Amino acid sequence: KAGVTQTPRYLIKTRGQQVTLSCSPISGHRSVSWYQQTPGQGLQFLFEYFSETQRNKGNFPGRFSGRQFSNSRSEMNVSTLELGDSALYLCASSSTGTGDSPLHFGNGTRLTVT
Amino acid sequence: AQSVTQPDIHITVSEGASLELRCNYSYGATPYLFWYVQSPGQGLQLLLKYFSGDTLVQGIKGFEAEFKRSQSSFNLRKPSVHWSDAAEYFCAVGPSGGGADGLTFGKGTHLIIQP
Repeated sequence: KAGVTQTPRYLIKTRGQQVTLSCSPISGHRSVSWYQQTPGQGLQFLFEYFSETQRNKGNFPGRFSGRQFSNSRSEMNVSTLELGDSALYLCASSSTGTGDSPLHFGNGTRLTVT
Repeated sequence: AQSVTQPDIHITVSEGASLELRCNYSYGATPYLFWYVQSPGQGLQLLLKYFSGDTLVQGIKGFEAEFKRSQSSFNLRKPSVHWSDAAEYFCAVGPSGGGADGLTFGKGTHLIIQP
């Protein structure tokens, strides 16, 4: 069974631009979560989608948004990029997205904002 | 609010020696507990999880962890480390009761293996 796939692996953007990251979950998994990983803040939860509905959201500004499609694939968008948005963005899928359903992570998208 | 503390930022262990990585959590009820490992340039891989029942849980790659409610701890152990175990290790807590809240991660412990 194929794992979680994130594209692209690397991105370089300029301040003020916007970016879209993509995540394909493990086949059969209906929940997709997104996390931001930085050296200073560590791993922080962005949001979680299940069956095309956002069920929960972390403490991030509205510039961070996402969506999920009917095939469970998910995209994350960051508008008006800031230098502090430079991070590794990790997508994780699980069967139900509840606490007892372990997350399976992709290898991440490394975003650099200059 | 839930939180996870990993007191050791770096740990250096000789190959073949035993390992214990510490994790303390703060949560209102009995949480779901996880250990993940991250190799450079990679995502996170689940090592083991605790939901309920036996407080000593076995995971992949020879790792085990023990849940101690009285100490709010979930320490990760391995009897004999291998050079390939060098990586970043994250302890995480998730909401019990079926909630869809995200995991709360500790800041991680960087494991260095000396030959």
